[in-house]
Amino acid sequence: EAQVTQNPRYLITVTGKKLTVTCSQNMNHEYMSWYRQDPGLGLRQIYYSMNVEVTDKGDVPEGYKVSRKEKRNFPLILESPSPNQTSLYFCASRWTGNSPLHFGNGTRLTVT
Amino acid sequence: AQKVTQAQTEISVVEKEDVTLDCVYETRDTTYYLFWYKQPPSGELVFLIRRNSFDEQNEISGRYSWNFQKSTSSFNFTITASQVVDSAVYFCALNWDGGFKTIFGAGTRLFVKA
Repeated sequence: EAQVTQNPRYLITVTGKKLTVTCSQNMNHEYMSWYRQDPGLGLRQIYYSMNVEVTDKGDVPEGYKVSRKEKRNFPLILESPSPNQTSLYFCASRWTGNSPLHFGNGTRLTVT
Repeated sequence: AQKVTQAQTEISVVEKEDVTLDCVYETRDTTYYLFWYKQPPSGELVFLIRRNSFDEQNEISGRYSWNFQKSTSSFNFTITASQVVDSAVYFCALNWDGGFKTIFGAGTRLFVKA
Protein backbone atom coordinates (compact mmCIF):
# COMPACT_ATOMS: atom_id res chain seq x y z
CA GLU A 1 0.00 0.00 0.00
CA ALA A 2 1.30 3.43 -0.99
CA GLN A 3 1.81 5.45 2.14
CA VAL A 4 3.74 7.98 4.15
CA THR A 5 4.63 6.68 7.60
CA GLN A 6 5.44 8.94 10.50
CA ASN A 7 6.61 7.90 13.93
CA PRO A 8 5.81 8.36 16.67
CA ARG A 9 2.13 9.36 16.60
CA TYR A 10 2.34 10.99 20.02
CA LEU A 11 5.36 12.39 21.80
CA ILE A 12 5.67 14.19 25.11
CA THR A 13 9.07 15.58 25.98
CA VAL A 14 10.76 18.24 28.04
CA THR A 15 12.41 21.46 27.00
CA GLY A 16 15.87 20.96 25.56
CA LYS A 17 15.78 17.21 25.04
CA LYS A 18 16.68 16.44 21.44
CA LEU A 19 14.17 14.44 19.48
CA THR A 20 13.63 13.08 15.98
CA VAL A 21 10.36 12.43 14.18
CA THR A 22 10.81 9.92 11.41
CA CYS A 23 9.09 9.99 8.04
CA SER A 24 9.26 7.39 5.32
CA GLN A 25 7.46 7.02 1.99
CA ASN A 26 7.25 3.99 -0.28
CA MET A 27 6.12 5.74 -3.46
CA ASN A 28 9.56 6.73 -4.78
CA HIS A 29 8.58 10.39 -4.55
CA GLU A 30 11.34 12.92 -5.04
CA TYR A 31 9.64 15.72 -3.11
CA MET A 32 9.07 15.56 0.64
CA SER A 33 8.12 18.21 3.15
CA TRP A 34 7.23 18.89 6.78
CA TYR A 35 4.37 21.01 8.08
CA ARG A 36 3.12 22.03 11.46
CA GLN A 37 -0.56 22.56 12.14
CA ASP A 38 -1.67 25.03 14.78
CA PRO A 39 -5.21 26.24 15.56
CA GLY A 40 -6.16 29.24 13.48
CA LEU A 41 -2.98 29.08 11.44
CA GLY A 42 -3.59 26.13 9.17
CA LEU A 43 -0.55 24.18 8.04
CA ARG A 44 2.77 25.95 7.76
CA GLN A 45 5.70 24.57 5.83
CA ILE A 46 8.83 23.94 7.90
CA TYR A 47 11.27 22.42 5.40
CA TYR A 48 11.08 20.71 2.07
CA SER A 49 13.35 18.53 -0.02
CA MET A 50 13.42 18.29 -3.78
CA ASN A 51 15.64 15.20 -3.82
CA VAL A 52 18.36 13.38 -1.93
CA GLU A 53 20.75 15.82 -0.24
CA VAL A 54 18.69 18.82 -1.45
CA THR A 55 16.67 20.63 1.20
CA ASP A 56 15.41 24.15 1.71
CA LYS A 57 13.60 26.22 4.32
CA GLY A 58 9.89 26.74 4.32
CA ASP A 59 8.07 29.47 6.21
CA VAL A 60 8.85 28.43 9.79
CA PRO A 61 12.24 26.65 9.86
CA GLU A 62 13.60 28.11 13.11
CA GLY A 63 14.36 25.45 15.69
CA TYR A 64 14.16 22.56 13.22
CA LYS A 65 16.61 20.55 11.15
CA VAL A 66 16.06 17.99 8.42
CA SER A 67 18.16 15.61 6.40
CA ARG A 68 17.57 13.66 3.20
CA LYS A 69 20.22 10.99 2.94
CA GLU A 70 17.90 8.52 1.22
CA LYS A 71 15.02 9.14 -1.10
CA ARG A 72 12.44 7.44 1.11
CA ASN A 73 13.34 9.04 4.46
CA PHE A 74 13.02 12.62 5.63
CA PRO A 75 13.41 12.93 9.41
CA LEU A 76 12.58 16.08 11.33
CA ILE A 77 15.02 16.93 14.11
CA LEU A 78 14.43 19.24 17.05
CA GLU A 79 17.84 19.79 18.62
CA SER A 80 16.53 21.71 21.63
CA PRO A 81 12.73 21.65 21.71
CA SER A 82 10.84 24.50 23.34
CA PRO A 83 7.19 24.74 24.41
CA ASN A 84 6.33 26.88 21.36
CA GLN A 85 7.09 23.83 19.23
CA THR A 86 4.14 22.00 20.75
CA SER A 87 2.08 21.26 17.68
CA LEU A 88 0.72 18.66 15.27
CA TYR A 89 3.29 17.76 12.64
CA PHE A 90 2.71 16.27 9.23
CA CYS A 91 5.15 14.82 6.77
CA ALA A 92 4.13 14.73 3.11
CA SER A 93 5.47 13.62 -0.24
CA ARG A 94 4.51 13.97 -3.89
CA TRP A 95 5.60 13.01 -7.39
CA THR A 96 6.14 16.33 -9.05
CA GLY A 97 6.18 19.87 -7.85
CA ASN A 98 2.49 20.33 -8.42
CA SER A 99 0.96 16.93 -7.88
CA PRO A 100 -1.17 16.44 -4.75
CA LEU A 101 0.51 15.88 -1.43
CA HIS A 102 0.31 12.50 0.29
CA PHE A 103 0.35 13.04 4.02
CA GLY A 104 1.42 10.91 6.92
CA ASN A 105 -0.98 10.45 9.84
CA GLY A 106 0.62 13.16 11.91
CA THR A 107 2.71 13.39 15.07
CA ARG A 108 1.31 15.25 18.05
CA LEU A 109 4.23 16.72 19.95
CA THR A 110 3.98 18.25 23.42
CA VAL A 111 7.00 20.04 24.88
CA THR A 112 6.75 20.87 28.59
CA ALA B 1 3.82 37.73 -1.13
CA GLN B 2 1.65 34.68 -1.48
CA LYS B 3 -1.38 34.36 0.74
CA VAL B 4 -4.42 32.14 1.11
CA THR B 5 -7.43 33.41 3.04
CA GLN B 6 -10.26 31.25 4.28
CA ALA B 7 -12.37 33.84 6.03
CA GLN B 8 -14.90 31.37 7.42
CA THR B 9 -13.47 29.85 10.57
CA GLU B 10 -16.44 27.62 11.32
CA ILE B 11 -19.67 26.85 9.51
CA SER B 12 -22.57 24.90 10.92
CA VAL B 13 -25.35 23.52 8.71
CA VAL B 14 -28.13 21.01 8.96
CA GLU B 15 -27.92 17.87 6.87
CA LYS B 16 -29.10 18.29 3.26
CA GLU B 17 -28.29 21.99 3.20
CA ASP B 18 -25.90 23.28 0.55
CA VAL B 19 -22.76 24.98 1.84
CA THR B 20 -19.98 26.97 0.16
CA LEU B 21 -16.49 27.28 1.57
CA ASP B 22 -14.63 30.35 0.41
CA CYS B 23 -10.98 30.56 -0.57
CA VAL B 24 -9.25 33.73 -1.75
CA TYR B 25 -5.62 33.69 -2.79
CA GLU B 26 -2.88 36.16 -3.62
CA THR B 27 0.13 35.54 -5.82
CA ARG B 28 2.19 37.42 -8.37
CA ASP B 29 3.12 34.24 -10.20
CA THR B 30 1.30 33.55 -13.43
CA THR B 31 1.73 29.80 -13.03
CA TYR B 32 0.37 28.33 -9.85
CA TYR B 33 -1.80 25.50 -8.57
CA LEU B 34 -4.65 25.49 -6.12
CA PHE B 35 -5.75 22.58 -3.99
CA TRP B 36 -8.44 21.59 -1.51
CA TYR B 37 -7.74 19.08 1.24
CA LYS B 38 -10.10 17.56 3.80
CA GLN B 39 -9.21 16.73 7.39
CA PRO B 40 -11.94 14.61 9.02
CA PRO B 41 -12.14 14.23 12.80
CA SER B 42 -9.78 11.26 12.60
CA GLY B 43 -7.05 13.73 11.66
CA GLU B 44 -5.64 12.55 8.36
CA LEU B 45 -5.34 14.93 5.42
CA VAL B 46 -7.01 13.88 2.20
CA PHE B 47 -6.61 15.46 -1.23
CA LEU B 48 -9.84 16.57 -2.92
CA ILE B 49 -8.98 18.57 -6.03
CA ARG B 50 -6.23 20.43 -7.91
CA ARG B 51 -6.55 23.29 -10.37
CA ASN B 52 -3.81 25.07 -12.31
CA SER B 53 -3.84 28.76 -13.09
CA PHE B 54 -4.60 28.19 -16.77
CA ASP B 55 -7.66 26.07 -16.24
CA GLU B 56 -10.69 28.00 -15.11
CA GLN B 57 -13.20 25.27 -15.81
CA ASN B 58 -15.45 24.50 -12.93
CA GLU B 59 -15.42 20.96 -11.66
CA ILE B 60 -18.16 18.76 -10.29
CA SER B 61 -17.61 15.47 -8.54
CA GLY B 62 -20.76 14.00 -7.10
CA ARG B 63 -22.01 16.36 -4.41
CA TYR B 64 -18.80 18.43 -4.57
CA SER B 65 -18.17 21.29 -6.96
CA TRP B 66 -15.45 23.89 -7.29
CA ASN B 67 -15.62 27.36 -8.79
CA PHE B 68 -12.28 28.85 -9.85
CA GLN B 69 -12.35 32.53 -10.83
CA LYS B 70 -9.06 34.27 -11.61
CA SER B 71 -10.81 37.63 -11.88
CA THR B 72 -11.62 37.52 -8.17
CA SER B 73 -8.68 35.26 -7.15
CA SER B 74 -11.10 32.79 -5.65
CA PHE B 75 -11.38 29.03 -5.61
CA ASN B 76 -14.60 28.23 -3.76
CA PHE B 77 -15.86 24.80 -2.80
CA THR B 78 -19.54 23.89 -2.63
CA ILE B 79 -21.04 20.81 -1.04
CA THR B 80 -24.58 20.08 -2.21
CA ALA B 81 -26.98 18.25 0.08
CA SER B 82 -24.44 18.05 2.89
CA GLN B 83 -24.15 14.92 4.99
CA VAL B 84 -22.84 14.29 8.49
CA VAL B 85 -19.79 12.58 6.97
CA ASP B 86 -18.83 15.92 5.40
CA SER B 87 -18.03 17.26 8.86
CA ALA B 88 -14.32 18.09 8.73
CA VAL B 89 -11.82 20.86 8.45
CA TYR B 90 -11.24 21.90 4.86
CA PHE B 91 -8.01 23.53 3.73
CA CYS B 92 -7.36 25.50 0.59
CA ALA B 93 -3.71 25.58 -0.56
CA LEU B 94 -1.58 27.39 -3.14
CA ASN B 95 1.54 26.02 -4.87
CA TRP B 96 4.02 28.25 -6.62
CA ASP B 97 7.73 28.39 -7.51
CA GLY B 98 7.50 25.17 -9.49
CA GLY B 99 5.52 23.62 -6.69
CA PHE B 100 8.31 23.65 -4.11
CA LYS B 101 6.53 26.19 -1.98
CA THR B 102 3.07 25.55 -0.58
CA ILE B 103 0.95 27.80 1.56
CA PHE B 104 -2.27 26.73 3.24
CA GLY B 105 -5.23 28.74 4.41
CA ALA B 106 -6.19 28.61 8.07
CA GLY B 107 -8.94 26.12 7.30
CA THR B 108 -12.71 26.11 7.65
CA ARG B 109 -14.29 23.76 10.15
CA LEU B 110 -17.61 22.45 8.84
CA PHE B 111 -20.16 20.94 11.20
CA VAL B 112 -23.05 19.09 9.58
CA LYS B 113 -25.80 18.29 12.04
CA ALA B 114 -28.24 15.45 11.51
